[in-house]
Amino acid sequence: DSGVTQTPKHLITATGQRVTLRCSPRSGDLSVYWYQQSLDQGLQFLIQYYNGEERAKGNILERFSAQQFPDLHSELNLSSLELGDSALYFCASSVLSGTLQETQYFGPGTRLLVL
Amino acid sequence: KNEVEQSPQNLTAQEGEFITINCSYSVGISALHWLQQHPGGGIVSLFMLSSGKKKHGRLIATINIQEKHSSLHITASHPRDSAVYICAVRSREGDKLIFGTGTRLQVFP
Repeated sequence: DSGVTQTPKHLITATGQRVTLRCSPRSGDLSVYWYQQSLDQGLQFLIQYYNGEERAKGNILERFSAQQFPDLHSELNLSSLELGDSALYFCASSVLSGTLQETQYFGPGTRLLVL
Repeated sequence: KNEVEQSPQNLTAQEGEFITINCSYSVGISALHWLQQHPGGGIVSLFMLSSGKKKHGRLIATINIQEKHSSLHITASHPRDSAVYICAVRSREGDKLIFGTGTRLQVFP
């Protein structure tokens, strides 16, 4: 158990809908990272938050948004869902901003299926 | 061409064999990660390194910054090592993680 929790574990929804994925980092970790893993694209970095502020941005679509709250949990919002958004979404956390040699601890993932 | 390339894509070994997985990258990096993804999907960070060599149990990771190459070695492999091993680099430009496509390892008893 990494100490990172993600909810829900599974999510099935329809095209055009909007969903919210939630991540609670390990106690004391200030950074939260979001990743998408699809069958055809592999793992892709979406976005990082550090202490409430956006720190780095990857291949995140405009239909997706994220935020980190004062209690450091983070939410990833996916809207106008398409079939191709079906994937495993991972959250990870690290102690600081990630530029130092810090380990990232991964959550169990949320499996999203868009029908 | 991908910015992070791994080889081989698939690897089969007998228990006890020495395993090497390679990772080459083409961007400037601040760190390189080796991750392990189990069949159930869970991801564990094995190493993060920016120079030299790190060892943890039967696992050894090395990096050569000049050659932009890293290797992950598994000594005395065991069936429980069966997993996908993923190399990821933290690029200096944009400070983001770029992933390789993974190496699927199966170790048979």
